[in-house]
Amino acid sequence: QQQVKQSPQSLIVQKGGISIINCAYENTAFDYFPWYQQFPGKGPALLIAIRPDVSEKKEGRFTISFNKSAKQFSLHIMDSQPGDSATYFCAASRRRTSGSRLTFGEGTQLTVNP
Amino acid sequence: DTEVTQTPKHLVMGMTNKKSLKCEQHMGHRAMYWYKQKAKKPPELMFVYSYEKLSINESVPSRFSPECPNSSLLNLHLHALQPEDSALYLCASSQVLVMDRGSPPQHFGDGTRLSIL
Repeated sequence: QQQVKQSPQSLIVQKGGISIINCAYENTAFDYFPWYQQFPGKGPALLIAIRPDVSEKKEGRFTISFNKSAKQFSLHIMDSQPGDSATYFCAASRRRTSGSRLTFGEGTQLTVNP
Repeated sequence: DTEVTQTPKHLVMGMTNKKSLKCEQHMGHRAMYWYKQKAKKPPELMFVYSYEKLSINESVPSRFSPECPNSSLLNLHLHALQPEDSALYLCASSQVLVMDRGSPPQHFGDGTRLSIL
C-alpha cells in the first residue's frame, strides 16, 4: 500500500515536444504529491506539487494532472528544452505528527534532444 | 543554490575511519531528515528528527549515528562503514505540520558524495 509506481523508466523527447511522466499510487491516505527534478551531482529539487483537492496545477511549462478516483497523477512538460534533461521523481506523502513521510517512484530519466 | 546546505560535498574514507556529515538550514523548519541515495535509485529514508528529537529510525545500522544539536543543524556520524555504504547522503527539512493543508513539502540539500575504500 506504500508503493508509488512510475513510468516510463526513461524518456527521449525532441526539443519543443511534450514530455509526459505517469505515476500511480495505492494508499488513499496520501495527501500531497510532489515532483522532484534531480540533475547529476545535485540533490532533488522540488519542482511542482499538488494536493488531492484539485485536479490540475500549472506552473510555467510544468503541469500536474491528478485523477483521485484512478489514483494516478502525471507530470507534463510543455515545450521541452535540453535543460530539462534530468531525472524526475514523483512522490506521495502522508502527514505525520513528525513532519511528512515521502514515498518515491523509481524515477524517469528524461533526455531532451536539441 | 539550495536553502539546505550540506558539508562536505565529497568524502572518501576508509572502513576504520570516523567522520561526520553536516547539514544546516535556516528556513525555520523543525523537521529534518537523512536519506541515502544509490545511483539511479530514489532516495531512501534513514532518519527523521522532529523538534530536535529522533522520531523515525528506518532500521539503520548502528554505524550511522544521527545527531540534532539544535533546530538548524543535523549531523550524521559515521564509523566503521562498509563499501556498500558508498552513496549520496541527502539531508532535507520541512515544517512539522501545515495546518489544514496536509503534508509539508520537503526541501533537499545537494548531498555528500561518500566513498568507502
